Amino acid sequence: KAGVTQTPRYLIKTRGQQVTLSCSPISGHRSVSWYQQTPGQGLQFLFEYFSETQRNKGNFPGRFSGRQFSNSRSEMNVSTLELGDSALYLCASSLDPGIYEQYFGPGTRLTVT
Amino acid sequence: KQEVTQIPAALSVPEGENLVLNCSFTDSAIYNLQWFRQDPGKGLTSLLLIQSSQREQTSGRLNASLDKSSGRSTLYIAASQPGDSATYLCAVSSAIGGSQGNLIFGKGTKLSVKP
Repeated sequence: KAGVTQTPRYLIKTRGQQVTLSCSPISGHRSVSWYQQTPGQGLQFLFEYFSETQRNKGNFPGRFSGRQFSNSRSEMNVSTLELGDSALYLCASSLDPGIYEQYFGPGTRLTVT
Repeated sequence: KQEVTQIPAALSVPEGENLVLNCSFTDSAIYNLQWFRQDPGKGLTSLLLIQSSQREQTSGRLNASLDKSSGRSTLYIAASQPGDSATYLCAVSSAIGGSQGNLIFGKGTKLSVKP
């Protein structure tokens, strides 16, 4: 069974640009969650999608948005990039995160210059 | 607000030693607790999941316990090996506000096992 895949793996962008990251969950998983990991703040929850609906959102500005498609693949978008957005962005998939494990992808390393 | 703390922040042990990593959380209203391993620059690998109704889970040389009432979990690693060197993260799925998909993480324990 294929694991969670994320594309691209590495990305370099300039301040003010926007970026779209993609996540393909494990087959059959309907929940996808996104997290931001930085050395200072650690892992922080961005949002969770289940069957194309955003169920929960973390404490991030509106520049961070996401969506989920009917095949459960998810994308997150960051507009007007800031230097502080440089981080490892991780997505996780689960059958039902309240009951089952969450499985993480390898992450997308975003560097904003 | 749920907060997760892991002690110690770093640990260095000789190969073969048994060791315990600690995790504490401030609110006992959780769905489950999950332990992860992260190698440098990589994603997270799930090690063990303990449901709120369970007391412990075992997988190979790993054993995790959960005491929900006191807000504590421990990860026991038996006969440590150099390949166990990584950062170990504890995360709870908080039942506050019904946010099942929101894992709240500790800052991790960086483990180094010396040959």
